[in-house]
Amino acid sequence: DAKTTQPNSMESNEEEPVHLPCNHSTISGTDYIHWYRQLPSQGPEYVIHGLTSNVNNRMASLAIAEDRKSSTLILHRATLRDAAVYYCILSSNRDDKIIFGKGTRLHILP
Amino acid sequence: DTAVSQTPKYLVTQMGNDKSIKCEQNLGHDTMYWYKQDSKKFLKIMFSYNNKELIINETVPNRFSPKSPDKAHLNLHINSLELGDSAVYFCASSHQIVGLAGARDTQYFGPGTRLTVL
Repeated sequence: DAKTTQPNSMESNEEEPVHLPCNHSTISGTDYIHWYRQLPSQGPEYVIHGLTSNVNNRMASLAIAEDRKSSTLILHRATLRDAAVYYCILSSNRDDKIIFGKGTRLHILP
Repeated sequence: DTAVSQTPKYLVTQMGNDKSIKCEQNLGHDTMYWYKQDSKKFLKIMFSYNNKELIINETVPNRFSPKSPDKAHLNLHINSLELGDSAVYFCASSHQIVGLAGARDTQYFGPGTRLTVL
């Protein structure tokens, strides 16, 4: 079973910021938080990952709560091409695989 | 250049047939995976290989047989295809396997192969 909980779907307006939440209350100290997204009819693609500190890259920002039990993926300015299913995943050195949950389907309104 | 490629992109076949899907990665990764995404869009791991060695076999019927001729290739052969095998199959690769200090690694996915069994 996936170790994360995400809302099934979210909506946002184009050109506005989007905050996608993820709960991972059972996270352990060495678990990494990864975000992937899957655009329609494509394979999943990596978005961002982090351990404890907030992270930024060209696609998004990842805000990690101080207790690490939740995180938020931030798309600073959503475009129509950001409409996808976003998966929040924990990756552990104690497991030999990652598990994809249902993810959040993000709809972008023009 | 495509990092992870799969062929074919679409595969339509009759029940009972045997078919193969090929996967190649040019990223120099040691680990490759096969995932299955069913009609409900759940993405589940089937197999993983690290340096041509099978690491994960997730209770997949033995009609499915992965083969890794070298680190850059992981093919999936399916015997006696059934209706329930219809799905999109994704190949992926990463530097290391999760669990071997690979928790921070990123997985790179191919474009998928849509298999339809009639």
